Amino acid sequence: GAVVSQHPSWVICKSGTSVKIECRSLDFQATTMFWYRQFPKQSLMLMATSNEGSKATYEQGVEKDKFLINHASLTLSTLTVTSAHPEDSSFYICSATVTWEFADTQYFGPGTRLTVL
Amino acid sequence: KQEVTQIPAALSVPEGENLVLNCSFTDSAIYNLQWFRQDPGKGLTSLLLIQSSQREQTSGRLNASLDKSSGRSTLYIAASQPGDSATYLCAVQGGKLIFGQGTELSVKP
Repeated sequence: GAVVSQHPSWVICKSGTSVKIECRSLDFQATTMFWYRQFPKQSLMLMATSNEGSKATYEQGVEKDKFLINHASLTLSTLTVTSAHPEDSSFYICSATVTWEFADTQYFGPGTRLTVL
Repeated sequence: KQEVTQIPAALSVPEGENLVLNCSFTDSAIYNLQWFRQDPGKGLTSLLLIQSSQREQTSGRLNASLDKSSGRSTLYIAASQPGDSATYLCAVQGGKLIFGQGTELSVKP
């Protein structure tokens, strides 16, 4: 149980195009999903917190107009990188939260490798 | 602001050795601490989760300890194997999940 999927697993696009990444909780409902970014040899940095039915909360320094997040249902959150540039190339990972025994546990997706040419 | 530090950044050991990875955090007000494994180009695999009220957790050859008062956790790997080669990340949860930079482990046959 508690499986999170991401699609696509990798994408290559031209500079200036927009890319949509999907994050799905396959066997549970997640009221909260998180989006992280990981540059090579670095750790995961939280980009935003996505709550079903409401606007995402972005971390300081993350442009909300560039990284559009939509949490349309309890099992799906999408991250759209608008007008992507080479510096947006990174590994994007989502997670979904499940509450077990009064504590929240995050389950992570397999990640999406974005390369912007 | 919570900061998580992992030492060493990289570690290379011969197969069969026991090893310890270290994680320290600056704010002891946490709900839990989690250790993850990440293979190159892949997502995260959760290894062990220690609640703030717990001192340690064990799973197979892995043992993680937590000392909240000193802001430290260790991940002990017994009888290391080449298949253990990966990056190990610790993360503390106190509202948000804050990750350390990771320890890149290489176990040589």
